[in-house]
Formats: sequence, C-alpha cells, structure tokens
Amino acid sequence: QITLKESGPTLVKPTQTLTLTCSFSGFSLGVSGAGVGWIRQPPGKALEWLAVIYWDDDKRYRPTLETRLTITKDTSTNQVVLTMTNMDPVDTATYFCAHTSAGTTRQDPFDWWGQGTLVTVSS
Amino acid sequence: EIVLTQSPGSLYLSPGERATLSCRASQSVSSSYFAWYQHKPGRAPRLLIFAASIRATGIPDRFSGSGSRTDFTLTISRLEPEDFAVYYCQQYGSSPRTFGQGTRVEIK
Repeated sequence: QITLKESGPTLVKPTQTLTLTCSFSGFSLGVSGAGVGWIRQPPGKALEWLAVIYWDDDKRYRPTLETRLTITKDTSTNQVVLTMTNMDPVDTATYFCAHTSAGTTRQDPFDWWGQGTLVTVSS
Repeated sequence: EIVLTQSPGSLYLSPGERATLSCRASQSVSSSYFAWYQHKPGRAPRLLIFAASIRATGIPDRFSGSGSRTDFTLTISRLEPEDFAVYYCQQYGSSPRTFGQGTRVEIK
C-alpha cells in the first residue's frame, strides 16, 4: 500500500524560504517507475501543480514558479523535499505531495496523495 | 496553460440520485491525459478516473467518465452517502498540469 505524508512549518514569514518534506512508503524512487509531485491549494481556490521528480532525477516545474522552486529526493530515507523561496502571503495554501507513475511520456495522473499540510505566510 | 472550468459549482442531490459533473477545457485535451479526483475535507484526494474513462483501482462502477477534446463528464449513477465530496478534473497531457476549480456535491 502506498502512503505519503507531508511535513513542514505551519507558519512562515514573507520573504522566507519554505521547506516541505514528503515521507512515503510502499514504493521507491530508487527504482524505475515512480515519481512524486507537489500540488497546492490556496483557501477557496483550485488545485495548482507545482513540481514533480522522477526515479531517474528528471525534474519538472511549473513554469511561472520555476525560479522559486527546487525539488529533490533522498532514496535512502524515502523522502522528497520541496523548497520555495521568497514566500508571500499569496503562497498561503494547503500543500500536497502525491505519487505518479513514470511512464514513457511522463504524462500520468497522481494516483496516491497525502492529506496535505496547511502553510500560512504572514508576518 | 489549459484552463479547466467545472460546472456546476455546487450540486445538491439526495442519496440514490444521479450526479452529472462537467469539465470544459480552454483548448483540446487528449482524452488519454484526463482525470477526475474526489476530495473530502482533511482527507487525501482520491483518483477516480484516468484516461477520461478508466476507473482507478478499487473505484466502484457507479463512477464513470466520458468525453473528449474540450468537454468531459463524470457521472455518479446512484449517489451513496460517502460520495458527497468535492470533485476535481485534471489534464496531465500539457505542461503545466492543470485542475478545475471543483464541483461540490452536497446532500439536499
């Protein structure tokens, strides 16, 4: 069974860097076939895809946020880390991580999700 | 980016009734790369349908997806109490992957 869980600060100040960790089980990013993505949802708004990393270290970012985002993986601890720089109140959202398959085209849905973690950006 | 517009925003129905949810894309989407998700407050979102019409593992057959190009539909044939939730559509064929704003299915 695949499970994912997000962790990180609940409150960050404007201009600070956010670091979120996704801890997962039931699969490995050390072998072919898997990826982990991050998605966020501001209060009352739509889900927004942020980034994805695959088993072979292929990384994809939302173009409008690419300069602020970094996604990395640690296969020894089964974790994926997302950092977002220069946080702003508009970045207040629930942040989810999710598993995806690493198909040939890298065009696959997110088939297992974490419950999400709410991050508030405020001074 | 492809904008997905879901309608209606909210749907008020009784258990046993049929629910029809729509998602319209701002440009053509390959049906191979279209999904529907269910989300309940405080819970992990759940993949229901991928490739527009294929049910994910463990999803009951009362859920069905259809559509192509710019118009897609999720149908719940007979609502069960556990089906009252928010439903999102998503396209994952074009970058960035995008989601609709959601349709809330509530008990009447």
